[in-house]
Amino acid sequence: DADVTQTPRNRITKTGKRIMLECSQTKGHDRMYWYRQDPGLGLRLIYYSFDVKDINKGEISDGYSVSRQAQAKFSLSLESAIPNQTALYFCATSDLGYHEQYFGPGTRLTVT
Amino acid sequence: EDKVVQSPLSLVVHEGDTVTLNCSYEVTNFRSLLWYKQEKKAPTFLFMLTSSGIEKKSGRLSSILDKKELFSILNITATQTGDSAVYLCAVGGLYNQGGKLIFGQGTELSVKP
Repeated sequence: DADVTQTPRNRITKTGKRIMLECSQTKGHDRMYWYRQDPGLGLRLIYYSFDVKDINKGEISDGYSVSRQAQAKFSLSLESAIPNQTALYFCATSDLGYHEQYFGPGTRLTVT
Repeated sequence: EDKVVQSPLSLVVHEGDTVTLNCSYEVTNFRSLLWYKQEKKAPTFLFMLTSSGIEKKSGRLSSILDKKELFSILNITATQTGDSAVYLCAVGGLYNQGGKLIFGQGTELSVKP
């Protein structure tokens, strides 16, 4: 079984809809991250979490919110989706004191 | 502002060629530089470098870091079609800043038969 899983893997939604992307991990890591990837822009950090009680904004947090329900679960919400949020979204985890991050398979989100 | 810049953005080579991918950075409190390979799915970890001048090697791939000149290179020798992917460079700062990584734009490598 994969260590970092994301659901759904693909989603098409309409402008203005609320949508939640979910991430679960079995690696026992404290730190979790949400990124979006757009062609030619690499990976950009949306939110990150040190632990269940510590959530921080990344470089592009506007229009997004997150919830860390447990050490193993980190959800990303788009309160009112807009077309320029169409992208590939990745969840990642890392262990305390290490930079190496482990990525989930990604969620391809299309907002029409 | 912290930034990581990769070059070239795309590259087309033929099997057997040797390629060099570049990554330069300007990051406060540098701690490590990481290389990832992404093949139409999640990025997978290749190397992490923390010390200048020490080469990391795995098969046909190798990487070295120059902390004075603030760059790293990733070399791939005797390229194969399976090396076709986007190669991402990322830089990490202080661990107490959340272990955040700043990613470059990626280099898209295409290896033709």
